[in-house]
Amino acid sequence: DAGVTQSPTHLIKTRGQQVTLRCSPKSGHDTVSWYQQALGQGPQFIFQYYEEEERQRGNFPDRFSGHQFPNYSSELNVNALLLGDSALYLCASSNIQEGQYNQPQHFGDGTRLSIL
Amino acid sequence: AQSVAQPEDQVNVAEGNPLTVKCTYSVSGNPYLFWYVQYPNRGLQFLLKYITGDNLVKGSYGFEAEFNKSQTSFHLKKPSALVSDSALYFCAVKGRIGNTGKLIFGQGTTLQVKP
Repeated sequence: DAGVTQSPTHLIKTRGQQVTLRCSPKSGHDTVSWYQQALGQGPQFIFQYYEEEERQRGNFPDRFSGHQFPNYSSELNVNALLLGDSALYLCASSNIQEGQYNQPQHFGDGTRLSIL
Repeated sequence: AQSVAQPEDQVNVAEGNPLTVKCTYSVSGNPYLFWYVQYPNRGLQFLLKYITGDNLVKGSYGFEAEFNKSQTSFHLKKPSALVSDSALYFCAVKGRIGNTGKLIFGQGTTLQVKP
């Protein structure tokens, strides 16, 4: 049973560029959340997708956008990259139908994004 | 503002000794509480959760956590530490009302278990 998978594992970009990160949820999961983990910090919630719509959003600028596909996979897009966007980006999945409010989210290993 | 605090950046214990990693939170209502562990270059692995009921929650790998409502704390414990427990530990909370998925994390505590 495959867990949450993310691609790529590492990425190097320059300031001003755009980036797309990808996530496939754990089998049976239909909800995807994205987090940003800066070095030495805890993960910060970016947004969550369910039924191809953004359901909840954290305190991130509009440069951060996302998408969810009919197969529940998701993309995180970041435009006009800044040095401060350098971080580990984590994807987490869960299932709405299984009482999601008390259900732990399952995390992928993340994409390490470095901005030069 | 909602927040989670892990007051210790690092906890050092000897193998075989009990360990405690502290967590306090400031979230309105009665949030759900979680502990996750992160190994180098890996994502977060779920350890345990508190929803309701007994204040002592048992989880994976022999870990347990003690919930204290009056102190708004949720400390992670283990009776006998292993070297392999060395990792980065995160406490997280999720509000019950109007919150579909946002987890609020503490800044993390590095646990170092020495042989």
